Amino acid sequence: DTAVSQTPKYLVTQMGNDKSIKCEQNLGHDTMYWYKQDSKKFLKIMFSYNNKELIINETVPNRFSPKSPDKAHLNLHINSLELGDSAVYFCASSENRGSYEQYFGPGTRLTVT
Amino acid sequence: DAKTTQPPSMDCAEGRAANLPCNHSTISGNEYVYWYRQIHSQGPQYIIHGLKNNETNEMASLIITEDRKSSTLILPHATLRDTAVYYCIVRVATGGGNKLTFGTGTQLKVEL
Repeated sequence: DTAVSQTPKYLVTQMGNDKSIKCEQNLGHDTMYWYKQDSKKFLKIMFSYNNKELIINETVPNRFSPKSPDKAHLNLHINSLELGDSAVYFCASSENRGSYEQYFGPGTRLTVT
Repeated sequence: DAKTTQPPSMDCAEGRAANLPCNHSTISGNEYVYWYRQIHSQGPQYIIHGLKNNETNEMASLIITEDRKSSTLILPHATLRDTAVYYCIVRVATGGGNKLTFGTGTQLKVEL
């Protein structure tokens, strides 16, 4: 009964490939997020959706495209992967767009070779 | 968002209180102080938040100075499982989305 789950946990792929990471939350929350944690451990927000509507879109290359088929799911698709995309990607959710508490998933470690 | 400053690392003996400081001297009147922690290889976990008053929950206490320029997170009886990176974040919660900006945090090591 994991609250926020991500698949896969590990992803190793070559430069130039296209890959997707999936996220699901069973908390009934309205808002979901994608964060990226780089090799120096800095954690930065990338996107946020509220009820399938994009509300936060940080300065992220347009190779990254989030998709929210419903409010319980937020997937991240990455085109033409580059070495610099190697990082841990965390999905999170919160009850609504102004909630103080965000619930994070276990992360997906992406390695681009 | 107001910038925060935290010591890079701290040690604490198991069973003792862990007091983690955070400076946020440029905080605005409507900005909240949040604390999250990240245990190795896991996603961040919310701990507590506050605006002006001291707050306490089952995990920790948050003490905010009267001028709100600094705060202290207190884990009253630290255990080995509290070893983690602790992040102090200052942020206005708005309807436009709660965009948390994590700094470098404090690596807390709890030892026997």
